[in-house]
Amino acid sequence: DGGITQSPKYLFRKEGQNVTLSCEQNLNHDAMYWYRQDPGQGLRLIYYSQIVNDFQKGDIAEGYSVSREKKESFPLTVTSAQKNPTAFYLCASRGVARGEKLFFGSGTQLSVL
Amino acid sequence: LAKTTQPISMDSYEGQEVNITCSHNNIATNDYITWYQQFPSQGPRFIIQGYKTKVTNEVASLFIPADRKSSTLSLPRVSLSDTAVYYCLVGERDSSYKLIFGSGTRLLVRP
Repeated sequence: DGGITQSPKYLFRKEGQNVTLSCEQNLNHDAMYWYRQDPGQGLRLIYYSQIVNDFQKGDIAEGYSVSREKKESFPLTVTSAQKNPTAFYLCASRGVARGEKLFFGSGTQLSVL
Repeated sequence: LAKTTQPISMDSYEGQEVNITCSHNNIATNDYITWYQQFPSQGPRFIIQGYKTKVTNEVASLFIPADRKSSTLSLPRVSLSDTAVYYCLVGERDSSYKLIFGSGTRLLVRP
């Protein structure tokens, strides 16, 4: 069953704590993305990666970090520097040919305790 | 900075046709225009994609004028289950990998 798996579905963070959101895909896609969505708002790009061992900042990268050591995996760490981390986080991937569509995971809801 | 502009919300009734327009003045020459649908607490899902003129599939049509600076998603005979947020997506001029979503259009379909 091909797709994108995000885990956990719900995550709670204590103040000052770093937390990592997992994103795994078995679609053989080169490009992967992380978006943040606040209640009633659109998707904002945090980081994206075109290829293994390479990634670029999106529009709201401050307080977040990523790695891309494997093609299938693109974990997102929400660091303690992110002062307002409560949001719905979506991971996506796509192939790099022209016109390739984005496929999304089911999301992780992060809340602050 | 927003790369696409859409109406914030639209209301319709079951059985009507709904047209949602998106403006994208900085679209790159080789970029496609793609529309996605999102339900609450779910990831967006693909609806339709086009490059120019008109594209139609089993759920929607997409109209793109010659200058490609806008596009219109057309949903024929909407039902209550079409209540969702709709996003248009285009790549940035300097990198087609950097995919920026606009704020989307909240469509409410009433009985």
